[in-house]
Amino acid sequence: AAGVIQSPRHLIKEKRETATLKCYPIPRHDTVYWYQQGPGQDPQFLISFYEKMQSDKGSIPDRFSAQQFSDYHSELNMSSLELGDSALYFCASSWNGRTGELFFGEGSRLTVL
Amino acid sequence: AQSVAQPEDQVNVAEGNPLTVKCTYSVSGNPYLFWYVQYPNRGLQFLLKYITGDNLVKGSYGFEAEFNKSQTSFHLKKPSALVSDSALYFCAVRDGDYGQNFVFGPGTRLSVLP
Repeated sequence: AAGVIQSPRHLIKEKRETATLKCYPIPRHDTVYWYQQGPGQDPQFLISFYEKMQSDKGSIPDRFSAQQFSDYHSELNMSSLELGDSALYFCASSWNGRTGELFFGEGSRLTVL
Repeated sequence: AQSVAQPEDQVNVAEGNPLTVKCTYSVSGNPYLFWYVQYPNRGLQFLLKYITGDNLVKGSYGFEAEFNKSQTSFHLKKPSALVSDSALYFCAVRDGDYGQNFVFGPGTRLSVLP
């Protein structure tokens, strides 16, 4: 079965650079989520989209932005990168409203040097 | 706002013994509860969920969890642990009445010793 696809899997950037992460949800899933997981931390919710509209916002820095496109893929844009942005970034998708479980991608590991 | 607590950072159990990973939660509305497992450098994998109905929920890989409303708990259990169960386990809650947000607990590292 198709899973959530994230790219790139690994990314190395310098401080103050910009990075873009991509997420392709499972077909027919209507909601996409972005999470950030620091080393030894639990996943922290950043932002979500339902049917291409932002539905909820968590602890996403102002330097970050995200959007969901007409084909339902989503991109997380991160600017003015800081060392503390180094983390695993997960995308997840779901359907069936609030009762549906989230299906996670394998994550994109961002390292900021 | 919802929150999740996993009181144990680490749980050690011998292979073949029963295991329990604890989770308590707090939500304003109806709790929708989930368990996920994470292996090193991998995404989170869904194990099971409680939405409504029978308090005992059965999930993947022989895991089960019991919803206890009075104790606001949703402990994960397995009758006989395997070495391959060693991983990081996350409990998560979503408020069934308000908001879309999934909130994860801090995680519990399970080590099953041969």
